[in-house]
Amino acid sequence: AQSVTQLDSQVPVFEEAPVELRCNYSSSVSVYLFWYVQYPNQGLQLLLKYLSGSTLVKGINGFEAEFNKSQTSFHLRKPSVHISDTAEYFCAVRTNDYKLSFGAGTTVTVRA
Amino acid sequence: SAVISQKPSRDICQRGTSLTIQCQVDSQVTMMFWYRQQPGQSLTLIATANQGSEATYESGFVIDKFPISRPNLTFSTLTVSNMSPEDSSIYLCSVESRTGTGEQFFGPGTRLTVL
Repeated sequence: AQSVTQLDSQVPVFEEAPVELRCNYSSSVSVYLFWYVQYPNQGLQLLLKYLSGSTLVKGINGFEAEFNKSQTSFHLRKPSVHISDTAEYFCAVRTNDYKLSFGAGTTVTVRA
Repeated sequence: SAVISQKPSRDICQRGTSLTIQCQVDSQVTMMFWYRQQPGQSLTLIATANQGSEATYESGFVIDKFPISRPNLTFSTLTVSNMSPEDSSIYLCSVESRTGTGEQFFGPGTRLTVL
């Protein structure tokens, strides 16, 4: 079974500053990795995904993530955040079955 | 992607009652998933619903408490039975991408408060 650890429960950041959200997973098999965002009072929206190939993946809204197999990490980054990026961010892992395992989430609060 | 709608969007219920949540998808899908998101927490998979067969429940969830129907390839319902305040959560349905790339698309959720 796989597990997902998001190392930061809350990340306050100033507008136009960079942000990094950390995610580590544990799995002995190949994985698919995802980052989702949940804006207040909304469902989850897919930001980006890693399936195979290039370890740097780009997603929507200027986000990118880097897959590091040796460190079993999939950290999410954005070079310059906006107020509208205030949301909950979830890292998720899928292995050979169809189920997604989610991390506990990271709350990003962007301040002016 | 898939467009998913849920009804109701929110509800306030009395303990001991039951609520049925509907999930509608704009395309035919094999598997639909039901999740619970307790206040301030992550998503936990309740069950997987396949058309034409009984739902498969995760550890800690039972059919008597969360009966699920899947009458066709675009629709599913989740019932939260004999509710208690501990059932206050957001309930989300999702479907897997038809491209086979593993991501799931989520409905907007149903916010349930049990008094």
